[in-house]
Amino acid sequence: DAKTTQPPSMDCAEGRAANLPCNHSTISGNEYVYWYRQIHSQGPQYIIHGLKNNETNEMASLIITEDRKSSTLILPHATLRDTAVYYCIVRVGEGNSGGSNYKLTFGKGTLLTVNP
Amino acid sequence: DVKVTQSSRYLVKRTGEKVFLECVQDMDHENMFWYRQDPGLGLRLIYFSYDVKMKEKGDIPEGYSVSREKKERFSLILESASTNQTSMYLCASSLTQKGARGYTFGSGTRLTVV
Repeated sequence: DAKTTQPPSMDCAEGRAANLPCNHSTISGNEYVYWYRQIHSQGPQYIIHGLKNNETNEMASLIITEDRKSSTLILPHATLRDTAVYYCIVRVGEGNSGGSNYKLTFGKGTLLTVNP
Repeated sequence: DVKVTQSSRYLVKRTGEKVFLECVQDMDHENMFWYRQDPGLGLRLIYFSYDVKMKEKGDIPEGYSVSREKKERFSLILESASTNQTSMYLCASSLTQKGARGYTFGSGTRLTVV
């Protein structure tokens, strides 16, 4: 069952910031927001995750609203190689007990197309 | 970096054959997963394992089995391949550690059953 809602597609100009939204209004207190992307014909790639604070790494920034019901993945300077399907997933974080907690359920994601 | 290696990138098998898809990870991850990906259906979880010799059914286990005899290796078995099992198969692994990064996926095996 999908716990997140994402737009099916977005466009972004090369060099500009790409802001990908995700709604997760039913998120539980112990669930994290994970972002993955999948470039055509490759396996998905982990990007970033967070619980309630904003996070930044070498790939992207994750902004989570104070009520945690939505988040935005930001690619600060999009390149053509960032064209991919981006998946937003909510799930309990690593380290929680219970085998089934480790499942990741992928929705349809957002196809981001970066244009020259 | 963690590497998840799938034994074949492309595979063609005949209907009724027993097919083994192998996946090996090199970073001592406890959890391993098998997904299949089909156009319009996205990624669907077939089986996963959170320890050696442990396995749990995912969302679409019918027609598949798995084996995890060693921590680093997770095999997906199609006991009698059928044409509706033609798909891209993706293996992933993850670490059970608070704050750990998420899954690492392999490059996938595109299986065609004829």
